[in-house]
Amino acid sequence: EVQLVESGGGLVQPGGSLRLSCAVSGFTFSSYAMSWVRQAPGKGLEWVSSVNDVSERTYYADSVKGRFTISRDNSKNTLYLQMNSLRAEDTAVYYCAKDSVGYYFEYWGRGTLVAVSS
Amino acid sequence: EIMMTQSPATLSLSPGERATLSCRASQSVSSNLAWYQQKPGQAPRLLIYRASTRATGIPARFSGSGSGTEFTLTISSLQSEDFTVYYCQQYNNWPLTFGGGTKVEIK
Repeated sequence: EVQLVESGGGLVQPGGSLRLSCAVSGFTFSSYAMSWVRQAPGKGLEWVSSVNDVSERTYYADSVKGRFTISRDNSKNTLYLQMNSLRAEDTAVYYCAKDSVGYYFEYWGRGTLVAVSS
Repeated sequence: EIMMTQSPATLSLSPGERATLSCRASQSVSSNLAWYQQKPGQAPRLLIYRASTRATGIPARFSGSGSGTEFTLTISSLQSEDFTVYYCQQYNNWPLTFGGGTKVEIK
């Protein structure tokens, strides 16, 4: 059974940092691209970042470029999102997602809430 | 950036009726279009990829069609569990983009 479990969310002040993790099981992690997608309270889905299977290529939404860094550790079956210089508009539930062939999202975690507020 | 526009924003139908949801891309995305269902408090679930291929375990009442800039998700006969929100997503170009969603509600 495919499982993706996010952690690391919480309340942080504007300008602060957080590191999200996503522990995966049930598939060969090192063979698939992975992504982060977020959803602000009461809003739609917004793609944040993706990384290919061996970390050669990373992609970012303009809204987070230069502030967020996606990475992965294939030996630990874990995906990360380092978030710096956080803003109020980054407040959202952050989902980890397994990509399929082509960057659509085959499996999702339950999400972790990030709240940016003073 | 490719803009994805979903219509209508809300669709009011009765159980057993047919639902037709539209998704329009601001430029061609070929067939690189996915549909997701999201229930309140839950993560999205993949329904359709490559515009018309049902994901594993998705009931046959869900079907997708279209290519280029115009796409449709059809639910042939609405069940009670289908009344929720649906999103389309293009994966033809970076950045990946979602539509704003269509809420299917009980009439």
